Amino acid sequence: QKEVEQNSGPLSVPEGAIASLNCTYSDRGSQSFFWYRQYSGKSPELIMSIYSNGDKEDGRFTAQLNKASQYVSLLIRDSQPSDSATYLCAVLHSGAGSYQLTFGKGTKLSVIP
Amino acid sequence: GAGVSQSPSNKVTEKGKDVELRCDPISGHTALYWYRQSLGQGLEFLIYFQGNSAPDKSGLPSDRFSAERTGGSVSTLTIQRTQQEDSAVYLCASSPPIQGLNTEAFFGQGTRLTVV
Repeated sequence: QKEVEQNSGPLSVPEGAIASLNCTYSDRGSQSFFWYRQYSGKSPELIMSIYSNGDKEDGRFTAQLNKASQYVSLLIRDSQPSDSATYLCAVLHSGAGSYQLTFGKGTKLSVIP
Repeated sequence: GAGVSQSPSNKVTEKGKDVELRCDPISGHTALYWYRQSLGQGLEFLIYFQGNSAPDKSGLPSDRFSAERTGGSVSTLTIQRTQQEDSAVYLCASSPPIQGLNTEAFFGQGTRLTVV
C-alpha cells in the first residue's frame, strides 16, 4: 500500500508570514511529486510539480524535495487570506506496468488577516 | 485550450438506480484518472486509463462500479444500483502520456452525486 501522509491541520498563519506544509511518502521509487490547492467546494488545482531533489520556486511558492528522507514540502511566502485552502500532496508511483497518483488527505491552511 | 470537462455537474438519483458520469479529458492527454471525494475526506483513487493499455481498476470499491474509455478519449464511470454511501464528488483528471517526468494531472470540476 503506497501511502502519502500530511498533517491535517488546521495550520493558521498571520497574513504576510511564511506557511510551511509538509508531506511524507512511503514508496522510495516514486519520481514525481505535486502540490494541489483545493478551495472548499471546488476541485483540486495544480500549483507546483517537482521531480528532483532540492528547491523549485514559482512566485511566492517554493517546493522542496528530499528523496532520501522521502519528504516533500511547500513553502508559501507572504501568505495572503486568498491562500486559505486545503493543500494536497500527490505522489506518482509505478508498479506492474501501471501508475497511480496517490494523494494525501490534505492540510487545511488558514491565513489570518 | 479547453480543460477537463465533466458532466453532469450535479446528479441526484434514487437509491437503486444506475448513473453514468462522463469525463472529457484535455486534448492529447492519454492518461485519465477517476477519484471519489466524500464530504470532508481525501481523494480516493478509483481507476486509471493509459492509452490503449488495460486500465488499472484496483481502486473500484465494488463490482457495482465500472468505467470505460472509448477511442482513448471520453470516459464514462457507471455506478449500478446506487447506494447512499456512493454519495460523493466524483473527480476526473487527465495528464500527458506518462513518459519521462511530465506527468502533471489536471482536474475537471467534478460531478456531485447525491443518492436519496
